[in-house]
Amino acid sequence: EDQVTQSPEALRLQEGESSSLNCSYTVSGLRGLFWYRQDPGKGPEFLFTLYSAGEEKEKERLKATLTKKESFLHITAPKPEDSATYLCAVQRRSGGSNYKLTFGKGTLLTVNP
Amino acid sequence: KAGVTQTPRYLIKTRGQQVTLSCSPISGHRSVSWYQQTPGQGLQFLFEYFSETQRNKGNFPGRFSGRQFSNSRSEMNVSTLELGDSALYLCASSLDQGKLFFGSGTQLSVL
Repeated sequence: EDQVTQSPEALRLQEGESSSLNCSYTVSGLRGLFWYRQDPGKGPEFLFTLYSAGEEKEKERLKATLTKKESFLHITAPKPEDSATYLCAVQRRSGGSNYKLTFGKGTLLTVNP
Repeated sequence: KAGVTQTPRYLIKTRGQQVTLSCSPISGHRSVSWYQQTPGQGLQFLFEYFSETQRNKGNFPGRFSGRQFSNSRSEMNVSTLELGDSALYLCASSLDQGKLFFGSGTQLSVL
């Protein structure tokens, strides 16, 4: 069974204080690893997809990296508007179409001004 | 381009009742997935439909069911509601494999 573990569960940063969120996963053949952001009262919003170890993607202050066992979401000089829950999910490689994502429980990030 | 629309936004039901939730995907998206989100379990996959056919199903009891119409709109139904069914139910549509676009969800409270 696919498993995704995110750490820490919650993280408080001061504005400008860079840090990283961790996503450890076990999956029988990874097709893709996804990062989403979720604000209170809203559905998750897509951030990145990573497909192979060594791949990196960036968007504004966020950078996602992938190894064979984990992914990191690096946040550089965060601002209060980066406060949200960040979710990691994996998709298994399988025969035929399989859109199921297995999600971690998320990291609640709070950035104080 | 309009996003994924879910109705209703909030719903309060009592144990034993049944409920139907609705989802309109992004225009052109033929895949619709449903997820249940709770504080304890996080997001859990319910099922996925493509061109009116259920292609994948999660580990939920048969009380949870869904369907998709020819216009890609989808509904999910929960019968004989239990207190533990209280959750945020999220619908997501997809064009490319894996990149899901979520709606804002239906917050279901079972009393």
